[in-house]
Amino acid sequence: GAGVSQSPSNKVTEKGKDVELRCDPISGHTALYWYRQSLGQGLEFLIYFQGNSAPDKSGLPSDRFSAERTGGSVSTLTIQRTQQEDSAVYLCASSLTGGSDTQYFGPGTRLTVL
Amino acid sequence: SQKIEQNSEALNIQEGKTATLTCNYTNYSPAYLQWYRQDPGRGPVFLLLIRENEKEKRKERLKVTFDTTLKQSLFHITASQPADSATYLCALELTGGGNKLTFGTGTQLKVEL
Repeated sequence: GAGVSQSPSNKVTEKGKDVELRCDPISGHTALYWYRQSLGQGLEFLIYFQGNSAPDKSGLPSDRFSAERTGGSVSTLTIQRTQQEDSAVYLCASSLTGGSDTQYFGPGTRLTVL
Repeated sequence: SQKIEQNSEALNIQEGKTATLTCNYTNYSPAYLQWYRQDPGRGPVFLLLIRENEKEKRKERLKVTFDTTLKQSLFHITASQPADSATYLCALELTGGGNKLTFGTGTQLKVEL
């Protein structure tokens, strides 16, 4: 069956612009996660959704970052007024119910801020 | 401070040998620990999960140990093959951590012919 998909696969933007990154989780998965992977760094948790609610937003680095999930499915991560330090690979994962369920990752969106 | 440490240097081994990767953590109380494989340009792929009350878990050529006293997990690949070459990540979910995973930086494994 289809896995987690993300779009775009690559995004190059200028400093100060806003970007939207999209995640389509596996159908039926109620839990959705966003992570960020910078060069030489481990994956850094950003936000967790259970259904359309975000009980844990503790990893969002600043108020320029926001995310929403609609219909218990697609999620969008928005970065406003992008900065060069936002350059990273943004990864989305979903799991059946959360908890210790296996997280299935998408291929990521590589964001480059010039 | 809290840390998850994996060997930052790449591990090169010969085909057929056993690869052993280490994950050490400090100032965490994990409910369980997971190992993932990541190939270049791709997202991580789940391999194994071991809970805090388990000492060892096996799956085919893979074996994971978890020592909560030493705060260490070892990940073994026996009879290694060139196709096992990838970056391997360990990740912790904390007790009461609300489902999110905290990852180490990963160890790159290269299996040579």
